[in-house]
Amino acid sequence: DTEVTQTPKHLVMGMTNKKSLKCEQHMGHRAMYWYKQKAKKPPELMFVYSYEKLSINESVPSRFSPECPNSSLLNLHLHALQPEDSALYLCASSQDLNGFSYNEQFFGPGTRLTVL
Amino acid sequence: AQSVAQPEDQVNVAEGNPLTVKCTYSVSGNPYLFWYVQYPNRGLQFLLKYITGDNLVKGSYGFEAEFNKSQTSFHLKKPSALVSDSALYFCAWGNYGQNFVFGPGTRLSVLP
Repeated sequence: DTEVTQTPKHLVMGMTNKKSLKCEQHMGHRAMYWYKQKAKKPPELMFVYSYEKLSINESVPSRFSPECPNSSLLNLHLHALQPEDSALYLCASSQDLNGFSYNEQFFGPGTRLTVL
Repeated sequence: AQSVAQPEDQVNVAEGNPLTVKCTYSVSGNPYLFWYVQYPNRGLQFLLKYITGDNLVKGSYGFEAEFNKSQTSFHLKKPSALVSDSALYFCAWGNYGQNFVFGPGTRLSVLP
């Protein structure tokens, strides 16, 4: 199974809501990532987890809170978002962080988030 | 600043013709370079990568890329384009232990 799944596919939320994005992989990968992608722009790295521990936080605002409950799951908790946070949120995984630079990442289809 | 660049926002090519999508890099150390493709409303798909060794790298769906150290380039190529190749293509660079950076992207349109 070489698939990364993400739920939901689409999410519309108000600025006072709390919601969560979910990501799952069953490839035995030990590194997982969250990216944010605006329309017609490249993905921007947000967080990196290695062996279920947060390894990299690219100065992301605290209204985004990642969680890695186990080696297969990655969540992104959202609270008090702003309209400018509307974007495609991509999850990815790779073999492990030792090969962060040279192991290919497998991406999920993304969650299209709209903040009203 | 260390980065990867894709000098063309848009590339148009006729179906059946060869295609090239350009990428240049400005990095220190070993340039771990990748190509990814993104179809509309989809995540990114890995095409190929250069780590070390043979400068000509073959990847998925008939794509290949040539690493050229003297020209600091890593252009993506395909001998015969298909309409289904129309998508957004990203060159990327892995900075060991630091981050993973994508180029700005090139939109490829293959015209029937």
